[in-house]
Amino acid sequence: QVQLVQSGPEVRQPGASVKLSCTASGYIFTDYYIHWVRQAPGQGLEYMGVAYPSAGTTYSEKKFQFRLTLTIDTSTSTVYMDLTRLRSEDTAVYFCARELPKNYQFDPWGQGSPVTVSS
Amino acid sequence: QSALTQPASVSGSLGQSITISCTGTSSDVGTYNPVSWYQQHPGKAPKFILFDDGGRPSGVSNRFSGSKSGNTASLTISGLQAEDEAHYYCCLFTGGFSYVFGTGTEVTVL
Repeated sequence: QVQLVQSGPEVRQPGASVKLSCTASGYIFTDYYIHWVRQAPGQGLEYMGVAYPSAGTTYSEKKFQFRLTLTIDTSTSTVYMDLTRLRSEDTAVYFCARELPKNYQFDPWGQGSPVTVSS
Repeated sequence: QSALTQPASVSGSLGQSITISCTGTSSDVGTYNPVSWYQQHPGKAPKFILFDDGGRPSGVSNRFSGSKSGNTASLTISGLQAEDEAHYYCCLFTGGFSYVFGTGTEVTVL
């Protein structure tokens, strides 16, 4: 079945970086987009960016533009999310989610990767 | 792009119907850009449940329905059941590469 499996919990100090993975299975990896969304504790969902595996391109929301890098590894059907210069406000659960191109819906989602930023 | 506005909480009794609104402006929700809806139970990942034209993925109950009018998209849950207790988020494609979520609504079943 279609699955997105994400990497485990991470703890980082302020100023550090974190790299999370989202590995897809059960479908043709390059046929779908992979989006990243985060959720701070007790808060709502916040859109971060998208990877286009077939084109090998990525897009990051302006808010994250200089700190967020998405990379695509088609050999392992994995998208990586690298967030640098972490601050306490980056403490959140980070989700990846799949989209059929131009379908404008995220389905399914990964299980989430908790990241804690604390000194 | 600011988050779309949803009521913080909505409650209803078992079997009743409730409606969750998702309000934006004429420049976002009021355009032809599509809106989708997600259900999130505590400690779980969100789950896609509805498109603004009413389309649902297989396995999602037909008790969930959607509509859009002017600057507001709406999710209606009819025949409220205990398992509907969750947070619900709308999500708008804003064009280009970007999306914005609603502020989220907690549904309580009385």
